[in-house]
This record gives sequence, C-alpha cells and structure tokens, in this order.
Amino acid sequence: GAVVSQHPSWVICKSGTSVKIECRSLDFQATTMFWYRQFPKQSLMLMATSNEGSKATYEQGVEKDKFLINHASLTLSTLTVTSAHPEDSSFYICSARVTTGRDTEAFFGQGTRLTVV
Amino acid sequence: GNSVTQMEGPVTLSEEAFLTINCTYTATGYPSLFWYVQYPGEGLQLLLKATKADDKGSNKGFEATYRKETTSFHLEKGSVQVSDSAVYFCARRVSGNTPLVFGKGTRLSVIA
Repeated sequence: GAVVSQHPSWVICKSGTSVKIECRSLDFQATTMFWYRQFPKQSLMLMATSNEGSKATYEQGVEKDKFLINHASLTLSTLTVTSAHPEDSSFYICSARVTTGRDTEAFFGQGTRLTVV
Repeated sequence: GNSVTQMEGPVTLSEEAFLTINCTYTATGYPSLFWYVQYPGEGLQLLLKATKADDKGSNKGFEATYRKETTSFHLEKGSVQVSDSAVYFCARRVSGNTPLVFGKGTRLSVIA
C-alpha cells in the first residue's frame, strides 16, 4: 500500500517554542491530508483537514492560529504547534487519502509524540 | 451524534485463545466500517473493512461483519498469536469524502 512518512517520531520542546511536524506521501500524491491528535487512552480526534493549495479546514474547538497547517505541495503537509505549552503534549498523527475508482482508503503516518516541558 | 464505541482494554490473552473486540457505531445513513491496527512504533494500518450491511471483512485471520440491525462491527479471531499484540481501532466513515471517526482503541496483549 501507499506509504506516509511522518517526521519527527518524537520531539521534546520547551514551553513557548514552536514545533513543526512533517507528513509526506512517499509514493503517491495526496490532495487531502488529515491531522489527528490522540490523548492517552482516548480516540484519535480530528484536528483539521489539509487541502493542497488552499487553507486548511479546522474542526470546532481547534485553534487555527496555534496549530498552523501548510499543504504547499501534493506530497507534503506540515503542522506547526506555535508557542507550545505542556497541555499541547500529545500524539499527533497524519493521514493521507487515496481514491482509486470508487474506493477510498486512508494511509497513516507513524505519529509524532510531542512533549512540552 | 456520529460516534464509535469500542470495548475498553487492555485485553490480555494467551496464545491460540479466541478474540472478540466489540464495536458499535452511531451514524446517519449507511457508513463504511473499518478496523485499523497499530503495532508498536508504527502507524495505523487498515486491517479490514466493510462497506454495506451484512458484508464481512477479513484479513490475517481476523473477521468482522457489518450488522446494521445491531449497529455493530465486532472484530474476531479464532486463534490469536503473540504477533497480534497491538492496538486495534474501530472506525466509521459516512462517505469517501469525509474523514474517519475512530473509537478509543483497544490494546491487545497476547502472551505465549
């Protein structure tokens, strides 16, 4: 299947700094990518839908100025957590959608564990 | 609302035991249903799916049947192996253009 690479797999940053997480589709082009956030023992919560060449669509309650999403090419979407605080510590996962005919399948990156200290 | 509820873990089984992980959903219309698996240190992988009522998805010995009457999509495997140890997520999607909605995940540990 298609491969989605997410980088870094883990990061520790100081409170107040910004962190960028990259999501790349390695062997296919993705016009749409999704960013999820997962708290311990909780479900994956959709944060935003990233569309190549246009603004991301954020879910209710997600601060667009804090979680900046850029999808400048068909193979790369980035999530930047700005002015990170300890409550932003979480597991972030990206997903890319591939449509073949009438079938649509989602492929996931391996996730990024962010710890803000 | 639209949601997915799956049994809480962790689930610990001995090798060759029978596995059931319950999953129920609420959604308008007829969603597609999925089971994803996340092995340690890896991203989520599609395990199986079903797109309409009474469909059975199967892969690697795992099965799940789309039950419209009970709004369920329970995951089963007749004989688990240590290599099946992972976190399993049930998910639904209303249409191909909408994002997946996940359950909380169930951690399975299989011991030899």
